[in-house]
Amino acid sequence: DQQVKQNSPSLSVQEGRISILNCDYTNSMFDYFLWYKKYPAEGPTFLISISSIKDKNEDGRFTVFLNKSAKHLSLHIVPSQPGDSAVYFCAASAASGTYKYIFGTGTRLKVLA
Amino acid sequence: GAGVSQTPSNKVTEKGKYVELRCDPISGHTALYWYRQSLGQGPEFLIYFQGTGAADDSGLPNDRFFAVRPEGSVSTLKIQRTERGDSAVYLCASSLGVQETQYFGPGTRLLVL
Repeated sequence: DQQVKQNSPSLSVQEGRISILNCDYTNSMFDYFLWYKKYPAEGPTFLISISSIKDKNEDGRFTVFLNKSAKHLSLHIVPSQPGDSAVYFCAASAASGTYKYIFGTGTRLKVLA
Repeated sequence: GAGVSQTPSNKVTEKGKYVELRCDPISGHTALYWYRQSLGQGPEFLIYFQGTGAADDSGLPNDRFFAVRPEGSVSTLKIQRTERGDSAVYLCASSLGVQETQYFGPGTRLLVL
């Protein structure tokens, strides 16, 4: 039972355009969400997070949007750069087990120069 | 500063053998986590340490898996009687405290032949 779903295994975007990566979750107890980026042969690198008390969090080119009623979050990257090409994982945790991150299966982003 | 380090980076072993995977967390981080990532999946939680004690080992798949953190810093994940299904990337993460963001190491890629 996949509690965190990333339904798009891959995405290609032109350099300079917006990349939108989506994530859906099923557990209404989740209250903290994160995005990690992963390059080949490296561990996941933390990108940005959002608490359920917010609906948007921004950090430079990266913005995460949370829609609690739809149990959906998205990561926007503007403008996209070739160095953003990586696998992006969405993760969630619940207040009862804040340390236990539940990850999606990832979306491979390719930014074309 | 130095990030989370894991050794070895790759480990090939034969079915039935015993393996140990080591994790050096970020200095000063009291919380340490092990995850396992199988091909095409996101990381899956295995165990969480707060200091020297395993606060939650609910993700360990069976009793062949065991982890220790005797001095509250370095941790070792031990797998007995390895099986081909144990082949995966084993990721270690650490955080300043249990409520803080987890930072991952590069992982150990385990292949059981």
